Amino acid sequence: EADIYQTPRYLVIGTGKKITLECSQTMGHDKMYWYQQDPGMELHLIHYSYGVNSTEKGDLSSESTVSRIRTEHFPLTLESARPSHTSQYLCASSGTVPNNEQFFGPGTRLTVL
Amino acid sequence: AQTVTQSQPEMSVQEAETVTLSCTYDTSESDYYLFWYKQPPSRQMILVIRQEAYKQQNATENRFSVNFQKAAKSFSLKISDSQLGDAAMYFCAYFSQGGSEKLVFGKGTKLTVNP
Repeated sequence: EADIYQTPRYLVIGTGKKITLECSQTMGHDKMYWYQQDPGMELHLIHYSYGVNSTEKGDLSSESTVSRIRTEHFPLTLESARPSHTSQYLCASSGTVPNNEQFFGPGTRLTVL
Repeated sequence: AQTVTQSQPEMSVQEAETVTLSCTYDTSESDYYLFWYKQPPSRQMILVIRQEAYKQQNATENRFSVNFQKAAKSFSLKISDSQLGDAAMYFCAYFSQGGSEKLVFGKGTKLTVNP
């Protein structure tokens, strides 16, 4: 079954640690996105990719980085986590016209102590 | 730049009643897509309904329907026969192929369904 996966679902980590949030999709989508969302609040686009070796920063400035070496995989990395990074991170992917629908993963809830 | 406005941060409805969530958007494009997404508490975001701007007929998916007013740039979501499982954050979103090719989201409306 085609889907989009995120791991871990929950992560509690200390300040200064390096973390990588994983996102994979099995739908063959070229476009992938990372959003940051505080609970019950709006979504902020922090990174997106339109294909392999293509990454762009989103509308909200973020200290995280992303890579897109394979179509199905779009990991997000924080080199040195801080309490201000505490949030939920949602990964999404989409195909092309005519649908343009974005499919979302279950999210990773990150807490930095 | 395109913007999406959801003017109702919170709404509530009695079970089995009907509720309408408002959404307006601003764009100079003529060809675009509009979406309503649902995000239940601690659960995955899913698409509720989609409307292509070139289609005059309002989209309908079971108990969910939209009132798309292109000239007024309005895209409201009507939920009929509300159920407890409809309780969620609802996000209106806009997409244009000729624009940034990114979804532009509203700030969301939290819907509470009272038994």
